[in-house]
Amino acid sequence: KNEVEQSPQNLTAQEGEFITINCSYSVGISALHWLQQHPGGGIVSLFMLSSGKKKHGRLIATINIQEKHSSLHITASHPRDSAVYICAVSDRNTDKLIFGTGTRLQVFP
Amino acid sequence: NAGVTQTPKFQVLKTGQSMTLQCAQDMNHEYMSWYRQDPGMGLRLIHYSVGAGITDQGEVPNGYNVSRSTTEDFPLRLLSAAPSQTSVYFCASSYERQLLYNEQFFGPGTRLTVL
Repeated sequence: KNEVEQSPQNLTAQEGEFITINCSYSVGISALHWLQQHPGGGIVSLFMLSSGKKKHGRLIATINIQEKHSSLHITASHPRDSAVYICAVSDRNTDKLIFGTGTRLQVFP
Repeated sequence: NAGVTQTPKFQVLKTGQSMTLQCAQDMNHEYMSWYRQDPGMGLRLIHYSVGAGITDQGEVPNGYNVSRSTTEDFPLRLLSAAPSQTSVYFCASSYERQLLYNEQFFGPGTRLTVL
């Protein structure tokens, strides 16, 4: 079983829809990261959080430490949001990043 | 700032050849790392460095060497390329030694094919 699991693996949506991507992890963490990888391949950090909720524009990330679960929400989705979204956790014991396999999102006009 | 740069963007090697993937950052970051990304798998750590002169192995270090002679540069050397090393390689950096609360900055990636 992977230490970081994301769901769904693939997601398609119509422009304007509200999107949720989930991440569950099994290790003790110091922080959780949400990353975005565009078709060109570059990876960009969206959020880093250790508790509660963060918002940036149409993106919202939440984390529940007790349940070892995080969600990434996209409101009013747009075709330019099409990308792979990757969840990663900073393992508290090893101080290393453990990555999920990503969620591929396609938003159609 | 250029951020994290990687060269080359694409490379094709024959089995047994050696090469160096270059990585540089201009943000004065202490922590630098190399990952490989393979289909259906999360990014996996190859080697990392917590500062100039200090390197350590990650999850999948076999077949790769690194060095960190300056804060800015962290090259990854493939000693004798094998088809199993066909992958996309990402270099990343962050400000402090510990990942505790550090945002990661990634390079654009190098797509390597070994025939």
